[in-house]
Amino acid sequence: NAGVTQTPKFQVLKTGQSMTLQCAQDMNHEYMSWYRQDPGMGLRLIHYSVGAGITDQGEVPNGYNVSRSTTEDFPLRLLSAAPSQTSVYFCASSYFLAGVQETQYFGPGTRLLVL
Amino acid sequence: DAKTTQPTSMDCAEGRAANLPCNHSTISGNEYVYWYRQIHSQGPQYIIHGLKNNETNEMASLIITEDRKSSTLILPHATLRDTAVYYCIVRVPNAGNMLTFGGGTRLMVKP
Repeated sequence: NAGVTQTPKFQVLKTGQSMTLQCAQDMNHEYMSWYRQDPGMGLRLIHYSVGAGITDQGEVPNGYNVSRSTTEDFPLRLLSAAPSQTSVYFCASSYFLAGVQETQYFGPGTRLLVL
Repeated sequence: DAKTTQPTSMDCAEGRAANLPCNHSTISGNEYVYWYRQIHSQGPQYIIHGLKNNETNEMASLIITEDRKSSTLILPHATLRDTAVYYCIVRVPNAGNMLTFGGGTRLMVKP
């Protein structure tokens, strides 16, 4: 298994540009999520999904959209990039066993710089 | 989710045990204690979790006090590769209840 993969690894955007960060997992996990991590800070949840067709907002959803058309993929879209969105973005996945969420697996991250 | 308090940083000598404390005095009965770590520039890595009994796996041991208001993560023989930020997270592992990462403890393992 490749686990959780993210593309691109690095990206530079100009203010106002839009882009999509890709996340894929091959473990058939129901749950997927996006976090951002600013320098010297902990991770903050942006959006999450508990299954295909189901998404919900996390702690810091403004400026981001997500969709979950398949179990494997969970792309994060920046609608109009702002310098405040400069961060490292991590995608994660996990499964549920008897209603309990098991350990989360994280991708390697996408480093985004917005000028 | 219950709030957690961890020291900002700790040092440990290579080969010695690293004991990382976490206070979670407002933990409720159905909340678990999770530990993750993040090695520089990498994605977080799961270490261990528990409800009320002590737990051990190939990476670490988790000691939870009887009143569950605090816990300690133990790395029995720390190596330089264990240098990382360690996060203690308390949560109910339900479908809509996501991981909330705080500041964590920066562990520096020194030769």
